[in-house]
Amino acid sequence: DAGVIQSPRHEVTEMGQEVTLRCKPISGHDYLFWYRQTMMRGLELLIYFNNNVPIDDSGMPEDRFSAKMPNASFSTLKIQPSEPRDSAVYFCASTKERQGGEAFFGQGTRLTVV
Amino acid sequence: AQKVTQAQTEISVVEKEDVTLDCVYETRDTTYYLFWYKQPPSGELVFLIRRNSFDEQNEISGRYSWNFQKSTSSFNFTITASQVVDSAVYFCALSAYNQGGKLIFGQGTELSVKP
Repeated sequence: DAGVIQSPRHEVTEMGQEVTLRCKPISGHDYLFWYRQTMMRGLELLIYFNNNVPIDDSGMPEDRFSAKMPNASFSTLKIQPSEPRDSAVYFCASTKERQGGEAFFGQGTRLTVV
Repeated sequence: AQKVTQAQTEISVVEKEDVTLDCVYETRDTTYYLFWYKQPPSGELVFLIRRNSFDEQNEISGRYSWNFQKSTSSFNFTITASQVVDSAVYFCALSAYNQGGKLIFGQGTELSVKP
């Protein structure tokens, strides 16, 4: 398996624009996670899905952020409108185990909002 | 509430020195899992080890070893005979039972190994 695949790897956008980050989890993994990494807040969970259903979105910072998982092999994280404080590295991860499974992370998307 | 604390923000050692990275966690759950991840300069997160709360056996994998002590809520990571390639940010993380694999990360320890 190719691992968790995220695209794009880098994104630079202007404030106010819509940004869509994409993730393809490892086949057979029922859990998908979106994390954000910043210098100030470290690594924090934004949202996670089980069998394509959002389970916990308490980490989504505000209504400008939304995430979907239309099928088992694809998820998106959308920011609309984007703001400079959204600049961060966004990681997608997947795991097949409900309890304490090893999470496999994608390479991350480095988002810069200018 | 669950929390992971890595008090060492940065550590610098000279190659071949041993180094220990500290991790202290807080949870009210009796069943939980602890992890260490490595983030090299290239940026990806690499899984190193997982431990469940019922297994306090120490583990050794090559130059890496982990010491899990429930009595002190600690899960420390030691690199023996460090190498320049060990330079990275290391994260300790906690996942509680029934959390579907959700990870609570510490702030990370940046390890710099100098030749």
